[in-house]
Amino acid sequence: KAGVTQTPRYLIKTRGQQVTLSCSPISGHRSVSWYQQTPGQGLQFLFEYFSETQRNKGNFPGRFSGRQFSNSRSEMNVSTLELGDSALYLCASSLSGTPRYNEQFFGPGTRLTVL
Amino acid sequence: LAKTTQPISMDSYEGQEVNITCSHNNIATNDYITWYQQFPSQGPRFIIQGYKTKVTNEVASLFIPADRKSSTLSLPRVSLSDTAVYYCLVGARGLDSNYQLIWGAGTKLIIKP
Repeated sequence: KAGVTQTPRYLIKTRGQQVTLSCSPISGHRSVSWYQQTPGQGLQFLFEYFSETQRNKGNFPGRFSGRQFSNSRSEMNVSTLELGDSALYLCASSLSGTPRYNEQFFGPGTRLTVL
Repeated sequence: LAKTTQPISMDSYEGQEVNITCSHNNIATNDYITWYQQFPSQGPRFIIQGYKTKVTNEVASLFIPADRKSSTLSLPRVSLSDTAVYYCLVGARGLDSNYQLIWGAGTKLIIKP
């Protein structure tokens, strides 16, 4: 069974631009969560989707948004990029329910660099 | 506000048992405690999850006291390939009652030959 895939793997943008990252969960997994990982702040929860609905959201500004499609694939969007948005963005999927009760399977991440 | 605390780094030797403790205040009442392992340039990988007392699987044990304000990941007989960063993860409610997943800062474990 294929793992979680994320595209693109690397991305370079400039301040003020917007970016869309894509995540394809493991087949059959309906929950998708997004995380931001930086050396200074570590892993931070962005949001979680289940059956196309956002169920939980972390403490990030409204510039960070996401969505999930009927096939469970998910995208996250960051508008008006800032230098501080440079990070590794990780997507994780789980079979059902919420991430707190289920094993999450992580993708390799998208490395975003904002210049 | 929920917060998790774990040691920044630990060293050990091959064949030893390693215990990593995570403190987590304000953990949500019905939430599980989960531990993940991360190698460079990879996403985290699930190790073990528990709610209370002790849980054991083929790679680790997890000890959780009755008050659930901390948990200890135990890795038996570590090898060089266990060199990685280990994270604890808990769920908690913030000031606005919004549920969030809170990651520890990670413990960098270095295993020496």
